[in-house]
Amino acid sequence: AQSVSQHNHHVILSEAASLELGCNYSYGGTVNLFWYVQYPGQHLQLLLKYFSGDPLVKGIKGFEAEFIKSKFSFNLRKPSVQWSDTAEYFCAVMYGAGSYQLTFGKGTKLSVIP
Amino acid sequence: NAGVTQTPKFRVLKTGQSMTLLCAQDMNHEYMYWYRQDPGMGLRLIHYSVGEGTTAKGEVPDGYNVSRLKKQNFLLGLESAAPSQTSVYFCASSYSYLGAGDIQYFGAGTRLSVL
Repeated sequence: AQSVSQHNHHVILSEAASLELGCNYSYGGTVNLFWYVQYPGQHLQLLLKYFSGDPLVKGIKGFEAEFIKSKFSFNLRKPSVQWSDTAEYFCAVMYGAGSYQLTFGKGTKLSVIP
Repeated sequence: NAGVTQTPKFRVLKTGQSMTLLCAQDMNHEYMYWYRQDPGMGLRLIHYSVGEGTTAKGEVPDGYNVSRLKKQNFLLGLESAAPSQTSVYFCASSYSYLGAGDIQYFGAGTRLSVL
């Protein structure tokens, strides 16, 4: 079965620190990649997505992610986090062309200390 | 434009009781999905639908049934609730298949506790 691995369960950072959350997937074929964010008590919101083209994808709120096909990775980055970035972050992968199913990672909880 | 709306937001059941969760979307989306979210497990797909009148099993379908009688509604049923079904349930919808460049839009979730 296809899988998505998020390396960190819980990350704690101080405001203004840089962030990188890892995401690896298990399939060598066509994939579409997503990062979703879930703020406390809220539903999932799309941060960014990669379908094709430039492997460096910019999303909302200053987040970006880089697709490295050779490493099966799609890591999420932000140069300087804010307290309001405290949330849980989920990497999700659509495996195969023409699919409509997402496989989610287990999530990384980010706590930003003021 | 409400997007994806889930009802109820919270529910407590006793073991063996039944209930139905309702998901409604007003975006004319073809595809709808039910996920459950458990701590440390991420989201797992329960059932999904690729159009009115169609349903299919996802990763964790046991103990759940679904129906898509109307395009805008996707119902998730628990016939005999078990404590293992205590979870947060999310509904999502998308216009088409994700390979076409589409994304899934999520509802606010239903927190279900089975005692």
